[in-house]
Amino acid sequence: DAKTTQPTSMDCAEGRAANLPCNHSTISGNEYVYWYRQIHSQGPQYIIHGLKNNETNEMASLIITEDRKSSTLILPHATLRDTAVYYCIVRDDKIIFGKGTRLHILP
Amino acid sequence: GAGVSQTPSNKVTEKGKYVELRCDPISGHTALYWYRQSLGQGPEFLIYFQGTGAADDSGLPNDRFFAVRPEGSVSTLKIQRTERGDSAVYLCASRRTGGTGELFFGEGSRLTVL
Repeated sequence: DAKTTQPTSMDCAEGRAANLPCNHSTISGNEYVYWYRQIHSQGPQYIIHGLKNNETNEMASLIITEDRKSSTLILPHATLRDTAVYYCIVRDDKIIFGKGTRLHILP
Repeated sequence: GAGVSQTPSNKVTEKGKYVELRCDPISGHTALYWYRQSLGQGPEFLIYFQGTGAADDSGLPNDRFFAVRPEGSVSTLKIQRTERGDSAVYLCASRRTGGTGELFFGEGSRLTVL
């Protein structure tokens, strides 16, 4: 079973920041948090990952709480092309996906 | 190409038939994963390989499903006596040892069992 829980769906206005939460209360000390997204009819695409510190790349930012039991993926300026299902994964070797959050960007 | 390649992209077969799905990972990637995805669901883990050996096949639903990776690169997922419930998109992904650990996915093989 997936070690994470995410809201089923979220809406965000175009141009605003999209904040996608993820709970992973059973995470182990050496497990990374990974985020992927899947646009309709495509394979999942890697976004970002982190262990303890907050991370930022050209796609997004990842904020991990100090106790590491939850994290938030931030898309700073959402566009219509960010409409997708976003998966938060606590990575062990098997890499188990949950159901993800379906993000709708509203024009 | 530089990405993960899966063939066929679409396969329609009849119940009871045998099917093979092929995955050609990114060159040099030692780990290879197979997932199955039904409509509205997240990818469901089936099996992953580290080199030639199956490191974890706990996701294979039953003994009709089998996967091989004889030379540590291309992998084939084999489904015997297909059932209508096997209809799904079968996704393959690969990753290299070390680095960011990210998975690179193919576009999937859509299997329809009539």
